[in-house]
Amino acid sequence: DAMVIQNPRYQVTQFGKPVTLSCSQTLNHNVMYWYQQKSSQAPKLLFHYYDKDFNNEADTPDNFQSRRPNTSFCFLDIRSPGLGDAAMYLCATSREGHSGAQPQHFGDGTRLSIL
Amino acid sequence: GQNIDQPTEMTATEGAIVQINCTYQTSGFNGLFWYQQHAGEAPTFLSYNVLDGLEEKGRFSSFLSRSKGYSYLLLKELQMKDSASYLCAVLDSNYQLIWGAGTKLIIKP
Repeated sequence: DAMVIQNPRYQVTQFGKPVTLSCSQTLNHNVMYWYQQKSSQAPKLLFHYYDKDFNNEADTPDNFQSRRPNTSFCFLDIRSPGLGDAAMYLCATSREGHSGAQPQHFGDGTRLSIL
Repeated sequence: GQNIDQPTEMTATEGAIVQINCTYQTSGFNGLFWYQQHAGEAPTFLSYNVLDGLEEKGRFSSFLSRSKGYSYLLLKELQMKDSASYLCAVLDSNYQLIWGAGTKLIIKP
């Protein structure tokens, strides 16, 4: 089945130690998103790629970076995780055209804990 | 600013009907989505409305009134597995998805 896969499901890292979360998709969607979601809150968009074009949200901390080496893969790098970065990180994809409105398809998420 | 409002929590009985409301104020409108999210899991797509009226899909229906900035999700014949959070999200004029914080639905036997 075509899907969005996130690895790992659970990630534990130390305060200040860089961590990378990965996302891959077999849907061949041109848009990929990274969200941060804390308990009982709405998902917060960090950035998204429209094809190769990177779009950073204005309030995304510089501590968060992303890479999309090809259509299928996208990475979230947290350079120096702080305690406030403990959250669920969701990767999503969609097929967008300039007038399109398609649902976003989510991976299972990576729950990040900071020690 | 842009805002999506949903009740924080609702409780309903197995077999009953529940309506979850969503009101929005956004810069432009290109459609409204409803997602279901079980605890600790990712959101899954339920419905999309861009025109006024009711869209029915099995036990779930979604209604939209653009003039009122209002939508609801109607769940019929509730089952225990329907216990989850239900998130309303609006696509604004820039095709950015604005999310509500979700409504936690608790189903009691």
